[in-house]
Amino acid sequence: DAMVIQNPRYQVTQFGKPVTLSCSQTLNHNVMYWYQQKSSQAPKLLFHYYDKDFNNEADTPDNFQSRRPNTSFCFLDIRSPGLGDAAMYLCATSSGMRPSSYNEQFFGPGTRLTVL
Amino acid sequence: TQLLEQSPQFLSIQEGENLTVYCNSSSVFSSLQWYRQEPGEGPVLLVTVVTGGEVKKLKRLTFQFGDARKDSSLHITAAQPGDTGLYLCAGGAAGNKLTFGGGTRVLVKP
Repeated sequence: DAMVIQNPRYQVTQFGKPVTLSCSQTLNHNVMYWYQQKSSQAPKLLFHYYDKDFNNEADTPDNFQSRRPNTSFCFLDIRSPGLGDAAMYLCATSSGMRPSSYNEQFFGPGTRLTVL
Repeated sequence: TQLLEQSPQFLSIQEGENLTVYCNSSSVFSSLQWYRQEPGEGPVLLVTVVTGGEVKKLKRLTFQFGDARKDSSLHITAAQPGDTGLYLCAGGAAGNKLTFGGGTRVLVKP
């Protein structure tokens, strides 16, 4: 089955210790997104890639970086995690083939990040 | 800036009861999606509506898109404990992005 995979599902890191979360997709979608979600709130978009074009949200802290080495993989790097960065991180994809305002996004299961 | 407001924020009902979740905006959206998210998992797409006045049914779930494409509703008939979760509406926005509503937490008690 075509899907969005996130690893690991749970990640524990220490305050200030860099951490990388990974996402892969078998949907062959052009667009990949990273969201941050805190307890029962709506997901908050951090950034997204359309193919290799990186699109950062204006309010995403510099502490968050991303890499997309190929169509299938996308990584979220948190350079110096703070306690406030503890959250669920969601990866999503969309085909990008339809008009940009009509795009269905497909989410991975998420990575729960704990910062000690 | 396009905003989506969901109501209620939280809904607790007994198994077998009906419920309706609302998603409203002052802006027109070209499409609107509904997701359900279970605890510890990612959101799962339930439906996409694109035409004003459109009604879609998915088993016991009925989705409606307002005539002016500014609002939508999700109605669940005879709710079951498996319907428990966070329901999110999201409107299609430019730049391949979605505008999310604040979410409605639904708890269906057996």
